Amino acid sequence: AQSVAQPEDQVNVAEGNPLTVKCTYSVSGNPYLFWYVQYPNRGLQFLLKYITGDNLVKGSYGFEAEFNKSQTSFHLKKPSALVSDSALYFCAVRALNNAGNMLTFGGGTRLMVKP
Amino acid sequence: EPEVTQTPSHQVTQMGQEVILRCVPISNHLYFYWYRQILGQKVEFLVSFYNNEISEKSEIFDDQFSVERPDGSNFTLKIRSTKLEDSAMYFCASRKSGGDRLNTEAFFGQGTRLTVV
Repeated sequence: AQSVAQPEDQVNVAEGNPLTVKCTYSVSGNPYLFWYVQYPNRGLQFLLKYITGDNLVKGSYGFEAEFNKSQTSFHLKKPSALVSDSALYFCAVRALNNAGNMLTFGGGTRLMVKP
Repeated sequence: EPEVTQTPSHQVTQMGQEVILRCVPISNHLYFYWYRQILGQKVEFLVSFYNNEISEKSEIFDDQFSVERPDGSNFTLKIRSTKLEDSAMYFCASRKSGGDRLNTEAFFGQGTRLTVV
């Protein structure tokens, strides 16, 4: 079985400061990892993914994430937060041997960026 | 930019009634999904659909649920007899086939909020 943990329900950051949203995962085999963002009353919007290769992946809106196999983590980062980054962020994993290709999501982390 | 569209955005139904949630996936995508998110909880997988059949379903997806791709463009989720606990946001998603079948990301619709009263 695959699982994802986002240990922080909420992360508060001042605008202009770096942000980190944490994610750890558990799968059998190699993971495919994703970050999605959900703005109020909107669907899930894809941010970035790790499939293979460079452990640091870059995505939309200046976000990046670092895959760490030994720590089974895929933390989302941004060097300088914007107020408009305030939203709900979900980490998700898909296992290589997942026949149905389903995503397993973490519980979500609410990011609050204050001016 | 192509997107997944879902209708209606909000559906209110009485307990025991049947509901059909509709989705139009992105046109060149081959994999289709339904997920749900009960208020304040995590997004949960319901079912995946490929090549006109269910490829995987979760424990949530019991006999009260069914999916259909009736006309090559729509993808529907039917709940035969709704229960109060079916109240949730339901998300449709689609994914195209990559060279490695698992490496492409899923695109989600804006969701249908189902309220069972």
